Amino acid sequence: DTEVTQTPKHLVMGMTNKKSLKCEQHMGHRAMYWYKQKAKKPPELMFVYSYEKLSINESVPSRFSPECPNSSLLNLHLHALQPEDSALYLCASSQPYGAGVGDEQYFGPGTRLTVT
Amino acid sequence: QKEVEQNSGPLSVPEGAIASLNCTYSDRGSQSFFWYRQYSGKSPELIMFIYSNGDKEDGRFTAQLNKASQYVSLLIRDSQPSDSATYLCAVKIGGAQKLVFGQGTRLTINP
Repeated sequence: DTEVTQTPKHLVMGMTNKKSLKCEQHMGHRAMYWYKQKAKKPPELMFVYSYEKLSINESVPSRFSPECPNSSLLNLHLHALQPEDSALYLCASSQPYGAGVGDEQYFGPGTRLTVT
Repeated sequence: QKEVEQNSGPLSVPEGAIASLNCTYSDRGSQSFFWYRQYSGKSPELIMFIYSNGDKEDGRFTAQLNKASQYVSLLIRDSQPSDSATYLCAVKIGGAQKLVFGQGTRLTINP
C-alpha cells in the first residue's frame, strides 16, 4: 500500500486550460516535494515545502504554482502549459532536513500529464 | 563533473547471479545516500538507504558506502527477472533538503 497518493493518474490538458494535481501523504512527514520526470531521465526537483512553507523553488516557470494547504496535502496548479511540459509529475514526502530523524523520501505513483 | 554519476548501462546479468551497481558523487559533505528502483512507467521506489561507511544488508540487497572514495554501490544477490528495472542512485547534498539523482542504470536480468 502506497502512503503517498496522487490524483489524477493521467491528465490531458490544452495549453489554455487550468488544472491542478493533488498529493496526499499519510506518513506524518513535514516535508513534501514536487518533481518532474521526462522519459529516460531522472526526477528533476521543482519545489520543496518544509513545515508547510515553501523552502526551495528550482526556478520553475510561474505557470506552475505550488500550494501546501496543510502538512499532509500538496497541490500543483497548472496554467497555460506548453507541450514540452508533458511529463510524469511526482510527489514525494520525508521528514524535514535537520529533524533529527531519517530523511528518506518516498514517492507517490505520479500523474502522467500530456499537454496538447 | 556531474554531482552524481552512474553507468547508464544497460547492465545485463544472468538469473541467480550478483548484480553490482555503482555510483560516485562529488560533494564530500554528503551524508545520506539512497537507491531507488523504477520500473518502466512507474514511480521510483526506495529500496535502500545508507548513512554510515560500510555495508548495509536488507534481504537480497546490500548497499555499500565508502565516503573516503566518494563511492556508493548496490549489490543484488540471486538476481531475479523481476529485478529488471532502472536503478537510481540519489545523494542528499550536504546541508540541503535537496536530493541529487544520478542518470540511472538500466538493469536486465536474463532467465
